[in-house]
Amino acid sequence: DVKVTQSSRYLVKRTGEKVFLECVQDMDHENMFWYRQDPGLGLRLIYFSYDVKMKEKGDIPEGYSVSREKKERFSLILESASTNQTSMYLCASSYITAFEEKLFFGSGTQLSVL
Amino acid sequence: GNSVTQMEGPVTLSEEAFLTINCTYTATGYPSLFWYVQYPGEGLQLLLKATKADDKGSNKGFEATYRKETTSFHLEKGSVQVSDSAVYFCALIKAAGNKLTFGGGTRVLVKP
Repeated sequence: DVKVTQSSRYLVKRTGEKVFLECVQDMDHENMFWYRQDPGLGLRLIYFSYDVKMKEKGDIPEGYSVSREKKERFSLILESASTNQTSMYLCASSYITAFEEKLFFGSGTQLSVL
Repeated sequence: GNSVTQMEGPVTLSEEAFLTINCTYTATGYPSLFWYVQYPGEGLQLLLKATKADDKGSNKGFEATYRKETTSFHLEKGSVQVSDSAVYFCALIKAAGNKLTFGGGTRVLVKP
């Protein structure tokens, strides 16, 4: 079974803390993504990566950074957490063949910044 | 740029009612269109997709037809169940690209 695993389901942090959200996929996918999900705004892309050590900014990268040292792991980093980063964070990985493309999501991490 | 607009929720229905969730898109070229579903406490799952005009995607009793002339991909189900209560997201991806653009999501609540 395809699997995208996010390390924490719920996380509570204080303003100014450095926060790491981890995501691991076991499908050998090259492409990985971080989204945040907010009521009324849907899913917005923060960063994505097409390969190890490669990263691209998404639509809302400000206040975030990412790390992709190994193919299976894609980390989202909040250098100095702020209350407006309280959100549900979703990791995804995908593959493309000549005939289809598929995106698989993790269960999400609900981050609260106090 | 690309964008997806879907009706705001929540949509509250009784069991066995007919469900329609409207979705329209703006994109250059010929995107692929998707509906994802998020059940309570879970991540997103692909519900159905269509890759070219007039294609119909279907799964679990849900259907959506890719209408290029109206740039729409409305989701329908003829008889909903309580287990269909979820948030539904319309999305598109440009051909040969790999970035999904999502709509805002529509929460559906089906009451017994």
